[in-house]
Amino acid sequence: GAVVSQHPSRVICKSGTSVKIECRSLDFQATTMFWYRQFPKQSLMLMATSNEGSKATYEQGVEKDKFLINHASLTLSTLTVTSAHPEDSSFYICSAFLRDRGDNEQFFGPGTRLTVL
Amino acid sequence: AQSVTQLGSHVSVSEGALVLLRCNYSSSVPPYLFWYVQYPNQGLQLLLKYTSAATLVKGINGFEAEFKKSETSFHLTKPSAHMSDAAEYFCAVSVGNFNKFYFGSGTKLNVKP
Repeated sequence: GAVVSQHPSRVICKSGTSVKIECRSLDFQATTMFWYRQFPKQSLMLMATSNEGSKATYEQGVEKDKFLINHASLTLSTLTVTSAHPEDSSFYICSAFLRDRGDNEQFFGPGTRLTVL
Repeated sequence: AQSVTQLGSHVSVSEGALVLLRCNYSSSVPPYLFWYVQYPNQGLQLLLKYTSAATLVKGINGFEAEFKKSETSFHLTKPSAHMSDAAEYFCAVSVGNFNKFYFGSGTKLNVKP
């Protein structure tokens, strides 16, 4: 199956700093990637849809200036949490969509645990 | 609009017993349906998917699910639970070309020895 990686797997930062999370599709080109946020013991919440070469589409209630998404190539999307605060601490998961498969399957990365002190 | 309901946030079974995790969906068009498993601090692993072919779908690790349009259900089953099945399970629906996933709230499966 298609492999998606995320880096870093875990990050701890001070309040007010910015953190960048990378999502890569390792063996396929992903025209679309998704970013999710998961709070403890809760389901995944879609934050935004990232399309290569265009602006990301954010879900209602997600601040686009807070969560900057860049999909610079067909294999890389980045999520930058700007001026992070403790309430941004969460598990962030990306996924990649392989359009040619025709079955809407998304391939998920292993996730990034962000802790803001 | 699409949505997914998973009945039972926690399910506990004995090792060797039948596993049944419930998922009901709402969709105005034929959906794609997925079951994922998540182990602590890890991403999601696909168990199986329904993409309008056979209504009984077999997945990995002995799991299977049956798509029942009349009941708008896609329940996940496994005949005999194993300790390694203890994890959180998510049902998801996706439709058409929108390719957005709508996840259920998840069911945590506990397997007792």
